[in-house]
Amino acid sequence: EVQLVESGGGLVKPGSSLKLSCVASGFTFSSYGMHWIRQAPKKGLEWIALIYYDSSNKYYADSVKGRFTISRDNSKNTLYLEMNSLRSEDTAMYYCSIGSVDYWGQGVMVTVSS
Amino acid sequence: DVVLTQTPSILSATIGQSVSISCRSSQSLLDSDGNTYLYWFLQRPGQSPQRLIYLVSNLGSGVPNRFSGSGSGTDFTLKISGVEAEDLGVYYCMQATHAPPTFGSGTKLEIK
Repeated sequence: EVQLVESGGGLVKPGSSLKLSCVASGFTFSSYGMHWIRQAPKKGLEWIALIYYDSSNKYYADSVKGRFTISRDNSKNTLYLEMNSLRSEDTAMYYCSIGSVDYWGQGVMVTVSS
Repeated sequence: DVVLTQTPSILSATIGQSVSISCRSSQSLLDSDGNTYLYWFLQRPGQSPQRLIYLVSNLGSGVPNRFSGSGSGTDFTLKISGVEAEDLGVYYCMQATHAPPTFGSGTKLEIK
């Protein structure tokens, strides 16, 4: 059974940093690209980052470029999202998803507020 | 970025009724590899999105066959043939042909 479990969210102040993790199981993690997608409260879905299976390519939405970094450790079956210079508009549920977007995690909440 | 326009934004249906949701793209979603990377998702209240349809018309694993997808180029449709109570939630289309991937604004399906 494919499972994606996010962690690392919480309440932080504007300008702070946070690192999210997504632990994968039930499939060959090292063979798949992975996404981070977020959803602000009561809003729609926003794609924010993609990393290739071998970390050779990374892509970001303009809204997070230069502040967020996607990475992975295939030996640990884990995807990461390092978030710096957080803003109130980054408040959202953050989901990790397999490249084919057929499996999603349960999401982790990030709240940026003073 | 590619803009996906979903209509309607709210849909009210009775059990057993057939309904359709439209997703129109600001650019053709036909990729140079011949595929059209258009997906449909359902997000039930309090849950993560679930992929229903991939590559315009292919049913996801475990998805009931009352769901179907069609379209080409810039115009796409999700049809539910016989709405059931468990179908309530918000439906999103998503394109991954052009970087960055983008989502439609969503269609909320309410059960009368």
